[in-house]
Amino acid sequence: GAVVSQHPSWVICKSGTSVKIECRSLDFQATTMFWYRQFPKQSLMLMATSNEGSKATYEQGVEKDKFLINHASLTLSTLTVTSAHPEDSSFYICSAGGSSGRQETQYFGPGTRLLVL
Amino acid sequence: DAKTTQPPSMDCAEGRAANLPCNHSTISGNEYVYWYRQIHSQGPQYIIHGLKNNETNEMASLIITEDRKSSTLILPHATLRDTAVYYCIAPSGAGSYQLTFGKGTKLSVIP
Repeated sequence: GAVVSQHPSWVICKSGTSVKIECRSLDFQATTMFWYRQFPKQSLMLMATSNEGSKATYEQGVEKDKFLINHASLTLSTLTVTSAHPEDSSFYICSAGGSSGRQETQYFGPGTRLLVL
Repeated sequence: DAKTTQPPSMDCAEGRAANLPCNHSTISGNEYVYWYRQIHSQGPQYIIHGLKNNETNEMASLIITEDRKSSTLILPHATLRDTAVYYCIAPSGAGSYQLTFGKGTKLSVIP
């Protein structure tokens, strides 16, 4: 149980284009999903928290107009990188909140590697 | 989140137990301790979590000291596939979702 998928697993795009990444919780409903970004040799950095049916909460320094998050259902959240530039090249990882015993736990997707040329 | 401190790296011989320590001396009474690991180029994988009592599952055991200021993750029989960065995290507040990833411990399992 507690499987989270991401699509695509990797994407290469030209500078200025937009890229959409999907995150799905396959076997549980997630009222909260998270988006992280990881640059090479660095740890994961939280970008935003999204709750189903409401606007996402962005971390300081993350542009909400550039990184559009939609969490329209309990099993799907999408991250759209608008007008991508080479500095947006990174490993994007989502997670979904689920229950593990008595405590809520985050389960992570496999990540999406974005390369902007 | 409560601040956690982990050694930057550790080696472990294949087949032996890997004991990964974590200091969380500022942890408050309702903050859980979570362990995740990240194998190269993959998303983090949930391992185990606990509050006060020791916990065990199919992947690992978690030993939490009585004063809750430190814990140890134990992989009983390390394999090469356990080579990864291991993160110890203590999210703030009961039921809190937000995880703050530090630098973790790079565990290398050696044949």
